[in-house]
Amino acid sequence: GALVYQYPRRTICKSGTSMRMECQAVGFQATSVAWYRQSPQKTFELIALSTVNSAIKYEQNFTQEKFPISHPNLSFSSMTVLNAYLEDRGLYLCGASGDYEQYFGPGTRLTVL
Amino acid sequence: AQSVTQPDARVTVSEGASLQLRCKYSYSGTPYLFWYVQYPRQGLQLLLKYYSGDPVVQGVNGFEAEFSKSNSSFHLRKASVHWSDSAVYFCALSARLSGSFNKLTFGAGTRLAVCP
Repeated sequence: GALVYQYPRRTICKSGTSMRMECQAVGFQATSVAWYRQSPQKTFELIALSTVNSAIKYEQNFTQEKFPISHPNLSFSSMTVLNAYLEDRGLYLCGASGDYEQYFGPGTRLTVL
Repeated sequence: AQSVTQPDARVTVSEGASLQLRCKYSYSGTPYLFWYVQYPRQGLQLLLKYYSGDPVVQGVNGFEAEFSKSNSSFHLRKASVHWSDSAVYFCALSARLSGSFNKLTFGAGTRLAVCP
């Protein structure tokens, strides 16, 4: 079956530091990877969409300078939160898509001190 | 532009009662529609999805949803809820692109509390 793993599951970083999170697709080819953030008590916001052989598209209010993403092959993607501050805390979900379905990982929960 | 509205932020029902969680969408075409559930401190689990065909789709754990193009709705139903169904439920929409989809737009979520 199709599975998506995310590492780490939880992380704590000091304000102003950066942290990297990873997403791995198993059992299918992830031609697209979407990164979402769920801030406390809120819904999921799309940060960016990465499609193999295409440029990464960032949503309004999210930038490459703040959330650089790498999608080097059909099974792996990573995203870094640079200079994390309190407003960056939340659950970061990776949604990897093959043909017609998006599979989600369990998320990386970021706490910023 | 596309959007999803879940008008009920919180729903409380008694165990064994029937359930309907409402979802309205705004999209110019015919969308892909999904319901996800989020249990405390966890990620998202897919309950069911609608792509085309029969407007009533069956999902896991006895959930079903009905797509209505005329009402732009995709309401979730369950005949008899269990206390373990207590969670936050998200309705989501994806545009139909050429042969694939990828970007989901989520509603705000409905928190379901099932009372014993």
